[in-house]
Amino acid sequence: AQSVTQPDIHITVSEGASLELRCNYSYGATPYLFWYVQSPGQGLQLLLKYFSGDTLVQGIKGFEAEFKRSQSSFNLRKPSVHWSDAAEYFCALNTGFQKLVFGTGTRLLVSP
Amino acid sequence: GAVVSQHPSRVICKSGTSVKIECRSLDFQATTMFWYRQFPKKSLMLMATSNEGSKATYEQGVEKDKFLINHASLTLSTLTVTSAHPEDSSFYICSAHKGLAGDGSSGELFFGEGSRLTVL
Repeated sequence: AQSVTQPDIHITVSEGASLELRCNYSYGATPYLFWYVQSPGQGLQLLLKYFSGDTLVQGIKGFEAEFKRSQSSFNLRKPSVHWSDAAEYFCALNTGFQKLVFGTGTRLLVSP
Repeated sequence: GAVVSQHPSRVICKSGTSVKIECRSLDFQATTMFWYRQFPKKSLMLMATSNEGSKATYEQGVEKDKFLINHASLTLSTLTVTSAHPEDSSFYICSAHKGLAGDGSSGELFFGEGSRLTVL
């Protein structure tokens, strides 16, 4: 079955600290993976995507993600979090023809 | 980048009425658009795939007669919630595919800002 799991419902990080959001997927073929960010009441903005090639993917706003096939993971990282990064983060899997399966999301809270 | 716009951003309607939500790709043509529904504090659930010039493809469990989708042009898809009831209240988000038609992997999806529907 195709699925995306984000085990952390919410995470609180101090401003300036590093961040890692977890994402695991289940898919029988080569995965195409995405991370999106959603601010309250807004649509989704693409942070980064992995299709093939280098397993460490750089995105916007200083985010990066590492694809690990052996662990079926695609964790999102940022070395230093800013208060403006507080939002909901979704990991997604392209199951074919741009149909995305989303994880349940992780809400990031940034403390002063 | 590419811009996808949804209208209205918020709508309140009475139970039993129908509501239309528009999704427009402003600076690119999209042969395929997608409609998602997001419940509070939940993930996005794909409702249907909207294809320009053909019938929409609905996901399992989504009532096609309740949620009418029309992809009238390469830049516009509409979702009409017919005979809305309070349980239809939700945040509806569309996305548009910018890429080659039938492209299964590359290209990119651009999301609208979402439309919050409240049915009284």
